[in-house]
Amino acid sequence: EDQVTQSPEALRLQEGESSSLNCSYTVSGLRGLFWYRQDPGKGPEFLFTLYSAGEEKEKERLKATLTKKESFLHITAPKPEDSATYLCAVQADSNYQLIWGAGTKLIIKP
Amino acid sequence: KAGVTQTPRYLIKTRGQQVTLSCSPISGHRSVSWYQQTPGQGLQFLFEYFSETQRNKGNFPGRFSGRQFSNSRSEMNVSTLELGDSALYLCASSYGQLYNEQFFGPGTRLTVL
Repeated sequence: EDQVTQSPEALRLQEGESSSLNCSYTVSGLRGLFWYRQDPGKGPEFLFTLYSAGEEKEKERLKATLTKKESFLHITAPKPEDSATYLCAVQADSNYQLIWGAGTKLIIKP
Repeated sequence: KAGVTQTPRYLIKTRGQQVTLSCSPISGHRSVSWYQQTPGQGLQFLFEYFSETQRNKGNFPGRFSGRQFSNSRSEMNVSTLELGDSALYLCASSYGQLYNEQFFGPGTRLTVL
């Protein structure tokens, strides 16, 4: 069964304290892996798409990486405005349907 | 460029009633997907429409249905509401068929009493 697991469920960091969020997945064949950010009361906002193992993408303080079994979202020197829930989703070769993880709630304290 | 809009933003219904939610995608986007989001289950895929045709469907009962119009606007209907249907219903649009980045609306918060 296709599955996506995100860890940790919640992460509290001090401003400037770098860390990583994990997204592990089990699919028969990966078509794409997506990272989104969701602020309270809003819909998710697209961040990155990764297609193959070894691929990396960066945007400001965020960097996403992909292996054959998992993806990491690295946050470097985070600021309070980076506080949000980060969602990971995968799309399998066999199905266009996105399978979503439960998310990691990130809190950055000033 | 206007984003994805959803109406209404908030809705309160009682068990047994039915509800219709509306979604207007970004201009030029032909794919519209619907999701249910709850604290316990996270984001769950309901269905996707592309050029007025339902292309994919999630594991939800037949009480959940949808349609897409020729202008790509979409509606979602839930009949015979149950308490467990209380959730945030999100609509997302994309240019292609679910392999491009999706742009989400703010959602409709449905409360079933």
